[in-house]
This record gives sequence, C-alpha cells and structure tokens, in this order.
Amino acid sequence: DAGVIQSPRHEVTEMGQEVTLRCKPISGHNSLFWYRQTMMRGLELLIYFNNNVPIDDSGMPEDRFSAKMPNASFSTLKIQPSEPRDSAVYFCASSLQGLGNQPQHFGDGTRLSIL
Amino acid sequence: EDKVVQSPLSLVVHEGDTVTLNCSYEVTNFRSLLWYKQEKKAPTFLFMLTSSGIEKKSGRLSSILDKKELFSILNITATQTGDSAVYLCAVGNNNDMRFGAGTRLTVKP
Repeated sequence: DAGVIQSPRHEVTEMGQEVTLRCKPISGHNSLFWYRQTMMRGLELLIYFNNNVPIDDSGMPEDRFSAKMPNASFSTLKIQPSEPRDSAVYFCASSLQGLGNQPQHFGDGTRLSIL
Repeated sequence: EDKVVQSPLSLVVHEGDTVTLNCSYEVTNFRSLLWYKQEKKAPTFLFMLTSSGIEKKSGRLSSILDKKELFSILNITATQTGDSAVYLCAVGNNNDMRFGAGTRLTVKP
C-alpha cells in the first residue's frame, strides 16, 4: 500500500532559481495538503486542494509560491524565484476528505536548502 | 487568533515511566483534534478526536478530548526508547489545520 510519495527528497539550489516540488497522494484520497516545517514556525499549512481544486491558499507566504493539482494523482509546489528564507522541509499530505474530517497521511518530505 | 499550545515543550524520562502530554487550543469552528508522532521524517497519525470524554486507545497510548475546557491529553504508559519522538497536536476546522509546536519526548534506557 503506497503512501504519499514526494520528490525530490533533498534539493539544494542557489537563490533566484526556480524550485519545483512534487507529490503523489494516496490513491483514492480526495484532499491534498502542502505544509512547510521550520524550527522557528513549526508545521504550517500552505494550501490545500479538494478534488483537485484549490480551496484555501491563505497560508502561501508570497506570490513567489504557487501550487497546482492537474489531476487526482499529482501536485506540484513551485517557488520562483527562491530565497534563502524558503529553506525548510516541505511536506505533502493527503486524506480521504477535507480538513478536519479525516486523518492526513504525510509523505517523507522534501528538505529544501536555498544558498 | 486561532492557536494550539502544547506542553511541555520537552520531556526526558526513563523506560517504564508514564508520561502525559498536553494540548490546549483556541480554534473557531472546531472539527477535530489529531495527534501525530514525528521521528526523523514524516508525522505519523496516532489519534483523531472529535467528541469529548471518549478515550481512544492504541496499545500503550491513549488520548482524550475535553471540548468544554478546550484541551486534550496524550498518555503513554510503560514508555520505551522507541517512543522517543516529537509528538504533535493539530486542530482542524473548515479552513485550516493548525499544529502546535510539539513536545519532544526522550526516553532513556
């Protein structure tokens, strides 16, 4: 039973570069979530999708961040241009239903370092 | 502003001890409270609580919710070194899932 799959596992790049993080949710899950985790701010919800539609992106820090879900089995989180303060672990999670209804299952995360 | 506060922030115990982790919250339109365990990678789901006073139990772990006093506790009995992790509490409503800062539990042999 495959869990949430994220790629890449690690990304190191220079500031100003575009970064694309990828996520494959658990098959059959209707909701997908992107989180960012830092020592200073803990886990923060960035955006979530229900049935491939973005529902709430109020957690997205700036216009440099964008997320898409073109189909039920794939989502991307893009940062362009990247900045050192974007360095964090980015988690993708999925659940059967929307926020607060079902537990979320997390991927292993992408550790992003912007130099 | 909605918030989730966990205590203590860190805890060191010896194997066999019993621990209680606390989570208090102020969240509008509460739907559920969830507990996760995070070791080196992804948070893994432990419990989801929606109703007051109903204990959820899984092995040595148990949790309960008090919606009147707005808190939950996570109990771990007969702790083992494998219980060492960060335990996260999260509260969800229709629009957000807000996580606490976590309690770092260290269990020494």
